Amino acid sequence: AAGVIQSPRHLIKEKRETATLKCYPIPRHDTVYWYQQGPGQDPQFLISFYEKMQSDKGSIPDRFSAQQFSDYHSELNMSSLELGDSALYFCASSHNDGGGLYEQYFGPGTRLTVT
Amino acid sequence: AQKITQTQPGMFVQEKEAVTLDCTYDTSDPSYGLFWYKQPSSGEMIFLIYQGSYDQQNATEGRYSLNFQKARKSANLVISASQLGDSAMYFCAMREGQDTGRRALTFGSGTRLQVQP
Repeated sequence: AAGVIQSPRHLIKEKRETATLKCYPIPRHDTVYWYQQGPGQDPQFLISFYEKMQSDKGSIPDRFSAQQFSDYHSELNMSSLELGDSALYFCASSHNDGGGLYEQYFGPGTRLTVT
Repeated sequence: AQKITQTQPGMFVQEKEAVTLDCTYDTSDPSYGLFWYKQPSSGEMIFLIYQGSYDQQNATEGRYSLNFQKARKSANLVISASQLGDSAMYFCAMREGQDTGRRALTFGSGTRLQVQP
């Protein structure tokens, strides 16, 4: 079965640079979530999109922005990178049709290292 | 206040034995869902089991079962017949609100399980 695809899997950037992370949800999934997991920490919710509109916002820094495109893929744009942005970034997707448990399927994550 | 509390940073279990990973939660919303995810050292998040707040019976999925005690606000994960491949970090997570799946998950701090041969 198709899973959530994230690219790149690994990314190394220097401070103050920008980075773009991409997420391709499972086909027919209408909701995308972004989470950030720092070293030794639990995942923290950043932002989500439902049907290409921002649905919910968590602890996303102002330096970050995200969007969901017409083909439902999503991109997380990160500017003025800081050392503290080094983390594993997960994208998750779910299908919300009014029934079911709305399980969130996670992608493999993008490991961002800021030096 | 912490919404999800996992009080066991690390647990050891012998292969083939059962183990219980604790999770307590805090919410005033009558509608919520509780999830358990497994995160191996490779990093991916693997969904294990789900319990809805209105579910009458405890959820089970193969060797995984969820001991749901609503009055105590606990949702402990029980892994039966542990295998070496069960060694991983385990996260309890909650989604609050009217049962729409668009809400994000709130995670606990995780429990690192090590299965010993």
